[in-house]
Amino acid sequence: AQKVTQAQTEISVVEKEDVTLDCVYETRDTTYYLFWYKQPPSGELVFLIRRNSFDEQNEISGRYSWNFQKSTSSFNFTITASQVVDSAVYFCALSAPADGLTFGKGTHLIIQP
Amino acid sequence: DAGITQSPRHKVTETGTPVTLRCHQTENHRYMYWYRQDPGHGLRLIHYSYGVKDTDKGEVSDGYSVSRSKTEDFLLTLESATSSQTSVYFCAIRLTGTAIEQFFGPGTRLTVL
Repeated sequence: AQKVTQAQTEISVVEKEDVTLDCVYETRDTTYYLFWYKQPPSGELVFLIRRNSFDEQNEISGRYSWNFQKSTSSFNFTITASQVVDSAVYFCALSAPADGLTFGKGTHLIIQP
Repeated sequence: DAGITQSPRHKVTETGTPVTLRCHQTENHRYMYWYRQDPGHGLRLIHYSYGVKDTDKGEVSDGYSVSRSKTEDFLLTLESATSSQTSVYFCAIRLTGTAIEQFFGPGTRLTVL
């Protein structure tokens, strides 16, 4: 069975601070995929990134970066110089190739001005 | 924009009544999914479809049935709604080809009184 743990239920930081959202996963599959989604207060789910299990390269996209470490089964998400618009619930998710997504419970990120 | 619509967007119904939620896509993607989102649980997979008339159960399928008679529509039915099925329901599609990521519809907020 697959499992995703986001231990941080809520994080509150002041604007311009850096913040890291933690994600730890469990799976017995040798091929799997990891994802991050953003859910702003308006409620829609926005896809941010996918990482394949065979590709441990970290990725940076503007102020966002992702650190994938198979050795610790973690796929952490860092926002640099946070902005109020980053306030949202962030979900980490895991999938085997043909399955649905297994989501963590989400981290509510609050960026205070 | 993956061209996903859900209807209705909001519904209030009474315990014991049947309810059908519709997910419609415009781009002929093969894979479609239904999730429910509840506070403290993140999103959980109800059912998914990998083609017309091909469906399978997810983590929380009890009390739900699905049908897919044509590629563009994936219906979720609550045969006899219960208060525990009050939730926000999201439909998702997986892009055709090698992409694994899923894109979500806007969601349906269902309240069962």
